[in-house]
Amino acid sequence: GEDVEQSLFLSVREGDSSVINCTYTDSSSTYLYWYKQEPGAGLQLLTYIFSNMDMKQDQRLTVLLNKKDKHLSLRIADTQTGDSAIYFCAEEDSNYQLIWGAGTKLIIKP
Amino acid sequence: DADVTQTPRNRITKTGKRIMLECSQTKGHDRMYWYRQDPGLGLRLIYYSFDVKDINKGEISDGYSVSRQAQAKFSLSLESAIPNQTALYFCATSDSKSLTGELFFGEGSRLTVL
Repeated sequence: GEDVEQSLFLSVREGDSSVINCTYTDSSSTYLYWYKQEPGAGLQLLTYIFSNMDMKQDQRLTVLLNKKDKHLSLRIADTQTGDSAIYFCAEEDSNYQLIWGAGTKLIIKP
Repeated sequence: DADVTQTPRNRITKTGKRIMLECSQTKGHDRMYWYRQDPGLGLRLIYYSFDVKDINKGEISDGYSVSRQAQAKFSLSLESAIPNQTALYFCATSDSKSLTGELFFGEGSRLTVL
């Protein structure tokens, strides 16, 4: 079945760029998403990209989509302590349900 | 006030007990979901409901049941809790008219089964 994979941890220094990577298997996905989960809270949609796009930029966030390799990445420029969270990649399957990655915990070093 | 409210936020119970987790929303969304989060496993869908008369099993429905009492209320029951149901449970909503299908989550209910 469909699967979404991402590394469990990423550690970066404050001020550097963070790049969180994700691979997925369902090539028919219409949307791919990045959700953010702050400590003790539910998930919130951070950004999304439509499958016919290669890139989407929103302030400090850049999403890159490589459909050939089924690879999605989220780049956070000038990473701040407030960016500490778990970031989930998700794809929409053919039944309009979301398939979730395990989440990448972003750790910010001072 | 939160748009998606879950109660209780924390619950410790014993094996074999019946547990109900409740979810209510003020967003006016027609779709509601229950997910389970386990460390390193991401979110797994337990049940979902596209409207009041619609209930669907998700990936891991065994051992769980749900009730959609109204458009705004969706409850999850564990008829006889077991330790491997210890997890963080999330309720979520979405609007069928949304182009992006964005999910809106509650703050979670942490359940511990001893």
